[in-house]
Amino acid sequence: GQNIDQPTEMTATEGAIVQINCTYQTSGFNGLFWYQQHAGEAPTFLSYNVLDGLEEKGRFSSFLSRSKGYSYLLLKELQMKDSASYLCAVKNSNYQLIWGAGTKLIIKP
Amino acid sequence: GAVVSQHPSWVICKSGTSVKIECRSLDFQATTMFWYRQFPKQSLMLMATSNEGSKATYEQGVEKDKFLINHASLTLSTLTVTSAHPEDSSFYICSARDVSGQGSQPQHFGDGTRLSIL
Repeated sequence: GQNIDQPTEMTATEGAIVQINCTYQTSGFNGLFWYQQHAGEAPTFLSYNVLDGLEEKGRFSSFLSRSKGYSYLLLKELQMKDSASYLCAVKNSNYQLIWGAGTKLIIKP
Repeated sequence: GAVVSQHPSWVICKSGTSVKIECRSLDFQATTMFWYRQFPKQSLMLMATSNEGSKATYEQGVEKDKFLINHASLTLSTLTVTSAHPEDSSFYICSARDVSGQGSQPQHFGDGTRLSIL
């Protein structure tokens, strides 16, 4: 089967750094996406990785290791508005998006 | 950027009513649109994949006669929840993929429709 694993919930402090991990097992690989979803809202696109390495975009960075089936989303200088669920999704060989269950990130002052 | 418009954003109706939700890609063409359902505190669950000009592909366990999908043009897909019941109350979200690529193009999401059946 295909599955995406990520922690259910994480807590971090405002101003700190947090890393959200994602491991995947899919039938083929055509890229990995990270989305942010605030409660009651639709997901918004954060990042895309298809090659190994780190992609940096402002306070957010995403890393991919295809050989390990592993990715992480790194959030720096955390702000209260970063409190949200973070969804990891992998596009398989059929270009289907396989979704993780999401990681709820709680930011404390 | 790519914008997907979903309408209505909120529906409250009586049990037995049919509800239609529209999903439009405003500034790009979408050969493929996706319909998701999300229950409170749960992740997205793909219901069906809608391809322009052909029948939708439904995920296992999703009743195609209850959730009617029509994708008549490259910019519009509709989901009709027929004879809705309280257990159909959920957050329904559509997304669209730009026809110009399958690789790095992410799915662009509508704002979602919160459906409450009394």
